[in-house]
Amino acid sequence: GAVVSQHPSWVICKSGTSVKIECRSLDFQATTMFWYRQFPKQSLMLMATSNEGSKATYEQGVEKDKFLINHASLTLSTLTVTSAHPEDSSFYICSARGDRVNEQFFGPGTRLTVL
Amino acid sequence: GENVEQHPSTLSVQEGDSAVIKCTYSDSASNYFPWYKQELGKRPQLIIDIRSNVGEKKDQRIAVTLNKTAKHFSLHITETQPEDSAVYFCAASIQNYGQNFVFGPGTRLSVLP
Repeated sequence: GAVVSQHPSWVICKSGTSVKIECRSLDFQATTMFWYRQFPKQSLMLMATSNEGSKATYEQGVEKDKFLINHASLTLSTLTVTSAHPEDSSFYICSARGDRVNEQFFGPGTRLTVL
Repeated sequence: GENVEQHPSTLSVQEGDSAVIKCTYSDSASNYFPWYKQELGKRPQLIIDIRSNVGEKKDQRIAVTLNKTAKHFSLHITETQPEDSAVYFCAASIQNYGQNFVFGPGTRLSVLP
């Protein structure tokens, strides 16, 4: 199947700093990318959907000014957690969808720990 | 919007036995139902999917059944092995509209040797 990478795989930062997470589709063009958040032993909660070249669509309750999403190309989307706080600590996973509308390929995830 | 429920939340079976996980969905427009397996600390991996024009699909030891009228679908794993131990998520979405998946809360399957 298609390959999606995420970087970094884990990050520890101080409260108040910003963290950028990259999601790349390595061997296909991702017209849509999704960002999920997953707390321990819980399900995947969709944060936002991003289409290349347009603004992201955020799910209810997700602060767009805190979680900045940029989908500048068909192979790259970034999620920036601004002014991170300990409650933002979580596992962030992206997924990408290409030509076949219903296939989503997940990245390996990024574990964010905010001290 | 769509709401997906999943049961049980945890399931323990003896190696070689079968495991069944059930999901229900609320939006009758949903017509695509994938199942993902997630091992600890790893990404979800698609293991099987089914579309609403099919009632059952099988791939070796894994099968999925769909009841559109009742709006529920189930994952069946036969001859379970220790490596089947993981968290399984069902999801529902609307094909052709490119909509996102709505995931169930997950089932933690433990296969005991």
